[in-house]
Amino acid sequence: AQSVTQLGSHVSVSEGALVLLRCNYSSSVPPYLFWYVQYPNQGLQLLLKYTTGATLVKGINGFEAEFKKSETSFHLTKPSAHMSDAAEYFCAVTKGSGYSTLTFGKGTMLLVSP
Amino acid sequence: DVKVTQSSRYLVKRTGEKVFLECVQDMDHENMFWYRQDPGLGLRLIYFSYDVKMKEKGDIPEGYSVSREKKERFSLILESASTNQTSMYLCASKLAGAADTQYFGPGTRLTVL
Repeated sequence: AQSVTQLGSHVSVSEGALVLLRCNYSSSVPPYLFWYVQYPNQGLQLLLKYTTGATLVKGINGFEAEFKKSETSFHLTKPSAHMSDAAEYFCAVTKGSGYSTLTFGKGTMLLVSP
Repeated sequence: DVKVTQSSRYLVKRTGEKVFLECVQDMDHENMFWYRQDPGLGLRLIYFSYDVKMKEKGDIPEGYSVSREKKERFSLILESASTNQTSMYLCASKLAGAADTQYFGPGTRLTVL
């Protein structure tokens, strides 16, 4: 069984500050990991994903995440927050074989103040 | 671009009604999914389909059924709607590989009175 824990249901930052959204997972097999973003009244959009290879993954809108197997983490970062980054962010995990359903975390709402 | 469309953005139904939510994708994806999203609970998988006429229960299938008669269309059915099924419903589709990305529709906000 897989699970995802996102620390903090809400994270507040100032515009220009570092964004750090935390995600820890548990999986009995090598995982594939995803970050999605949801803007108000919209569906989810993929930010980035880790499958194999380089553990530092770059995504859209300046976001990146690093897969750390020893820490079972996949934290999302962005060096400088922009007002347009205000949204809800979801981390998700899937097993790397068979029918691949995603297990989502409960989400973190990012609030950006001027 | 992949496009996943859902039949309604907002829907209001009465308790006991039969409700159909439709999802259509235009990228020939094998896999399709229905989730419900509730504040503080994230996304929970209701049902998924890995091919035409095939379906598998997700984490919360009770009170729901699905139909996939054509590859591009996946329907979620609430046989007898109840107030605790008031929620945001999201459909997604993807290719069959484990690493493939799920693409989401805009969601249907269902209110059951």
